[in-house]
Amino acid sequence: DIQMTQSPSSLSASVGDRVTITCRASQGISNYLAWFQQKPGKAPKSLIYAASSLQSGVPSKFSGSGSGTDFTLTISSLQPEDFATYYCQQYNTYPYSFGQGTKLEIK
Amino acid sequence: QVQLVESGGGVVQPGRSLRLSCAASGFTISYNTMHWVRQGPGKGLEWVAVISHDGGDKYYADSVKGRFTISRDNSENTVFLQMNSLRPEDTAIYYCARSAYMDVWGKGTTVTVSS
Repeated sequence: DIQMTQSPSSLSASVGDRVTITCRASQGISNYLAWFQQKPGKAPKSLIYAASSLQSGVPSKFSGSGSGTDFTLTISSLQPEDFATYYCQQYNTYPYSFGQGTKLEIK
Repeated sequence: QVQLVESGGGVVQPGRSLRLSCAASGFTISYNTMHWVRQGPGKGLEWVAVISHDGGDKYYADSVKGRFTISRDNSENTVFLQMNSLRPEDTAIYYCARSAYMDVWGKGTTVTVSS
């Protein structure tokens, strides 16, 4: 099974900052990598698929990159509504798997 | 409007069964792979099961294999999760999601397994 490891597990940042979250797969997954945002009490929301493709309606402040085993999610110009938990997920091989999540908090 | 609505959750004793439903609207599930994903209290996301667009292929997480069964009724535009031999560790919010990269999610239904 493929393990997904995110870093950091938590992150404090200020409004206006740019942050980067890293996701590493235990084996190569090509670009079959998605990113999700989840706010407390809400369902996850799809942000990015195929490692770098933005879902319809997602602002361009979110960007993804990577291939193989190493991936990043970058959020520029943080706004209050961006503070949430972010998950990566591989869909290269069953069983699909998620990273443990990165909680982005306001400094 | 593309939407998924889960139902069927509740409180159940260990060892009992529950059947969850996921009703789709605004699109046809017969063209899509459909998933169930769960989230335990205060925990991260855990992929549970998937069914192919025609129901011919199904895969499960090891934690539910042999106890849970995913199925679909394309005529009703609905996906199901039959959960048998429930355990306390199955307590979670259960979400259904569309497509390999889960572009659409429902709001979830809560399952509590407790005596």
